[in-house]
Amino acid sequence: EPEVTQTPSHQVTQMGQEVILRCVPISNHLYFYWYRQILGQKVEFLVSFYNNEISEKSEIFDDQFSVERPDGSNFTLKIRSTKLEDSAMYFCASSGVAGGSTGELFFGEGSRLTVL
Amino acid sequence: GNSVTQMEGPVTLSEEAFLTINCTYTATGYPSLFWYVQYPGEGLQLLLKATKADDKGSNKGFEATYRKETTSFHLEKGSVQVSDSAVYFCALIRNTGGFKTIFGAGTRLFVKA
Repeated sequence: EPEVTQTPSHQVTQMGQEVILRCVPISNHLYFYWYRQILGQKVEFLVSFYNNEISEKSEIFDDQFSVERPDGSNFTLKIRSTKLEDSAMYFCASSGVAGGSTGELFFGEGSRLTVL
Repeated sequence: GNSVTQMEGPVTLSEEAFLTINCTYTATGYPSLFWYVQYPGEGLQLLLKATKADDKGSNKGFEATYRKETTSFHLEKGSVQVSDSAVYFCALIRNTGGFKTIFGAGTRLFVKA
């Protein structure tokens, strides 16, 4: 069964360092997303991406964040200069259709980011 | 704006007990509604969905009915098992365009043997 894969599963970094989280969405999906979950709490939307550009982003997704689909299979989230409050589980998701009636999301297992 | 409110947890039940997790929503237009489940140490996975009023989603013994009049999508299961212990998230997608799934805060369920 096709699945979304994420790497690394866990990353520890120093405050101020750059971090790149990688995702391989399901191959025939067109819509890609990043969500984060702080300490098992609410799942927060960060950004959605379609047709090689950002479709929507939240207030959390400020200038420190960027996304890229560099090669047609990977979908990356970059945090330019990490802060302590960026410590969270970051989930990549993909869907076959947009925010429509069957827009169910397929999630990866998550990348845990710890900022020291 | 669009939002999802679900009952606070944790919910602790004995095996074979009846489960209800309440979920209500606020949305413009007619959203599609979802329940996602997160098992310990894993990502979220879709449990069930309903795309229009009066639809009933069901999967693995869980059910939820899309109630437009009460803007609710309560999750129910007649007889829970220890393996159902997880966090359950109610969610919606706007059907008026847009790409964002909006999640509730999640309800943690513990089932004791």
